[in-house]
Amino acid sequence: KQEVTQIPAALSVPEGENLVLNCSFTDSAIYNLQWFRQDPGKGLTSLLLIQSSQREQTSGRLNASLDKSSGRSTLYIAASQPGDSATYLCAVSSSAGNNRKLIWGLGTSLAVNP
Amino acid sequence: GAVVSQHPSWVICKSGTSVKIECRSLDFQATTMFWYRQFPKQSLMLMATSNEGSKATYEQGVEKDKFLINHASLTLSTLTVTSAHPEDSSFYICSAPPRRGTGGYTFGSGTRLTVV
Repeated sequence: KQEVTQIPAALSVPEGENLVLNCSFTDSAIYNLQWFRQDPGKGLTSLLLIQSSQREQTSGRLNASLDKSSGRSTLYIAASQPGDSATYLCAVSSSAGNNRKLIWGLGTSLAVNP
Repeated sequence: GAVVSQHPSWVICKSGTSVKIECRSLDFQATTMFWYRQFPKQSLMLMATSNEGSKATYEQGVEKDKFLINHASLTLSTLTVTSAHPEDSSFYICSAPPRRGTGGYTFGSGTRLTVV
């Protein structure tokens, strides 16, 4: 059974710091991995999608890496800003079936302080 | 990109009443929609998968008669919370799977349900 773990659960940093959020999964047979951002009481915004054949994806100040064999992904945020404060969720999609379900981590709650 | 429109964004209802939540795919056809529930400080929990033209598939422990799911067309899926109780208060969110094999999931903006 696939399990997704995110570390740390919460993180508070001063503005401008580079930071790394971690996501690990127990079953390496994934189809893809997706990072999301969720603001309090709001829906989810997709940040980056990494296919199982890829090693990283970049979008602006965000970089996500994937090491499928070790069951790990990291989300790197460069030059953090107060607007980056949110909960960051990692989800993996299994390889089975046409309607592949997402398995979620509990998220990392990030606070960037001005 | 793909957009899923979810309404209402929030609703307050009395115990015993029913509430319907709608999710529409605006620029694509979604034959499948996933429905999630999220309690405070917890991650998303998949409740059920709706399929256009057939019965929804419910996850273990989710009451089918309480959470009615209908996927009436290729662009509309609804979740109805029947005879709502305060413990049903939660954040409900829908999601459409990738349109193409390599795409990502698209989420609605969520519905905050409060049962008083």
